[in-house]
Parts: sequence; C-alpha cells; structure tokens
Amino acid sequence: KAGVTQTPRYLIKTRGQQVTLSCSPISGHRSVSWYQQTPGQGLQFLFEYFSETQRNKGNFPGRFSGRQFSNSRSEMNVSTLELGDSALYLCASSANPSGRDEQYFGPGTRLTVT
Amino acid sequence: AQSVTQLGSHVSVSEGALVLLRCNYSSSVPPYLFWYVQYPNQGLQLLLKYTTGATLVKGINGFEAEFKKSETSFHLTKPSAHMSDAAEYFCAVSRGANNLFFGTGTRLTVIP
Repeated sequence: KAGVTQTPRYLIKTRGQQVTLSCSPISGHRSVSWYQQTPGQGLQFLFEYFSETQRNKGNFPGRFSGRQFSNSRSEMNVSTLELGDSALYLCASSANPSGRDEQYFGPGTRLTVT
Repeated sequence: AQSVTQLGSHVSVSEGALVLLRCNYSSSVPPYLFWYVQYPNQGLQLLLKYTTGATLVKGINGFEAEFKKSETSFHLTKPSAHMSDAAEYFCAVSRGANNLFFGTGTRLTVIP
C-alpha cells in the first residue's frame, strides 16, 4: 500500500504570495490532518478533515485554510505569506477520526518564505 | 486543556545502554497517548500507542512505554540502544479526535 504523499516536497515563496500544498492519503483513509513544524514552536495542529468536512481546527489565523475532496485528497492554502510561515508542513492520514488509531505521516513539504 | 511535557530536549546514551525518554501529560481525562519518531528529513513514524487496556505497551524496534495514571506519565524505554535509534522522539496526546498535541521533542544521540 502506498504511503501518504505530499507535493511539492520543497517550495520557496516570497512574502505576500500565497501557496497551496497537496496531500494524498493512504488508500481507504478518509481522515486527513495537517501539522506545522518549526524549530521555535515545534509541532502544531492546523486542522483535520473527514469526509470533506473540517472537524477540528488549531489556533492559526484565517490565512491558513484547507479543504478535502471526495477522493479524500486534501489541500491546504496559506495566503499573504509571512516569514514566520517558513516551516515543514506535515500531512497525516487515518482510517477514522476517533483519535485512537495511528496517524500515518507523509514526508512533509518544506516551505521557505523569503 | 491538554499539554505534554518532555523532560530533556537532548539525551545521549552509549550503544547498548538503556534508553529512557520522559513524557508527562496534563489532561482532565486520561487521553490517548502516542510516541512518534522522526528521522532527519522525514515525516513521523508511530512507535507505540496507549488507548485502553494493558498499561505496558510494546512497540516497534524494541521500544516500550508504561502508562501510569497516578503519575500522569508515559515514559519510553528501550533496554539496549542501537546506533539506528538516533533520531528525534515526540510524545503526543489526543482525546477523541485526530488533533495530536505534541511535546517539544527529545533528540536522542547514541554514542558508539
């Protein structure tokens, strides 16, 4: 079974631009969660989608948004990029949204904002 | 509110020595507890988890952890460290949803 894939793996953007990151979950998984990892703040939860509905949202500004498609693929978007948005963005998928099961993580997208 | 505290941002052990990585959680209700490992330039991989049942949990690569409710702890151990165990380890909690709260991580160095 193929793992979680994230595209692109690396991205360089300029302040003020917007960016869209993509995540394809493991086949059959309908829950997709996004996390931001930075040296200063560590790993922080962004949001979770299940069956195209956002179930949970972390404490991030409205510039961060996401969506999930009918095939469970998910995208997250960051508008008006700031230098502080430079981070590794991790996507994770799970078979169900209960929180009991393993979340399988992708390799991440490393975003650099200059 | 949920929080996770990992004592020691860096831990060094000799190859073959005991590995002990500490994790304490704060939650009004016993949460689901996880240990993940991250190798350089990679995502996170689950080592083990506690949801209900037996409090001593065995995971992959010889790691295990014990859930101690009275101490609100979930420390990770491995009897004998191997060079390949060098990585960053994260303790995490969730409570009924796929929104993990992570500790700040512990970087494990294994000295040959």
